[in-house]
Amino acid sequence: DARVTQTPRHKVTEMGQEVTMRCQPILGHNTVFWYRQTMMQGLELLAYFRNRAPLDDSGMPKDRFSAEMPDATLATLKIQPSEPRDSAVYFCASGSNSNYGYTFGSGTRLTVV
Amino acid sequence: AQSVTQLGSHVSVSEGALVLLRCNYSSSVPPYLFWYVQYPNQGLQLLLKYTTGATLVKGINGFEAEFKKSETSFHLTKPSAHMSDAAEYFCAVSDQVRGSYIPTFGRGTSLIVHP
Repeated sequence: DARVTQTPRHKVTEMGQEVTMRCQPILGHNTVFWYRQTMMQGLELLAYFRNRAPLDDSGMPKDRFSAEMPDATLATLKIQPSEPRDSAVYFCASGSNSNYGYTFGSGTRLTVV
Repeated sequence: AQSVTQLGSHVSVSEGALVLLRCNYSSSVPPYLFWYVQYPNQGLQLLLKYTTGATLVKGINGFEAEFKKSETSFHLTKPSAHMSDAAEYFCAVSDQVRGSYIPTFGRGTSLIVHP
């Protein structure tokens, strides 16, 4: 089965450090999402791309978060500087408008200490 | 703006019993509706979806859901629970924004299955 690959699976970092999370969407999918999952807020949409163009990143704290798709096989989410409140599981999902159901990666569990 | 309400953060059933997980939505346009399942330390997996057509939708692992427009509901059911069904279940509503369908998720319902 085709899958969305996220790296790293786990990341522990100190406050103030830069964190980069990577996502390889399923080949042929033209829509990529980044979600953050916490106990308090549930699943929050951070950003999404269609055909590699960022369409909405209103869910992201702009001062420290950035999301990019340098090519069709890679999406990145960066946090600089990281803070303890950023601790969460970050999911990438990809899909296409032909099926509407999106495939999620296994997530990156981020802990900022 | 679209939103999803999942009634009950936890649902507990005995093995073999009926599973019913409730989902109500609000949307300004005809919605697309989804149920996802999340097992521990994994991503979300699509169980089933409603886009158009038949309002009773069958998904994987014996689950099904019925779209009821008059009740703005999309409840998930399974006739007989298995221990392996224990997981977190998320309902999502999606409508079109700038050519893409953006899912908005409920807070999730944890299904507990007792032997």
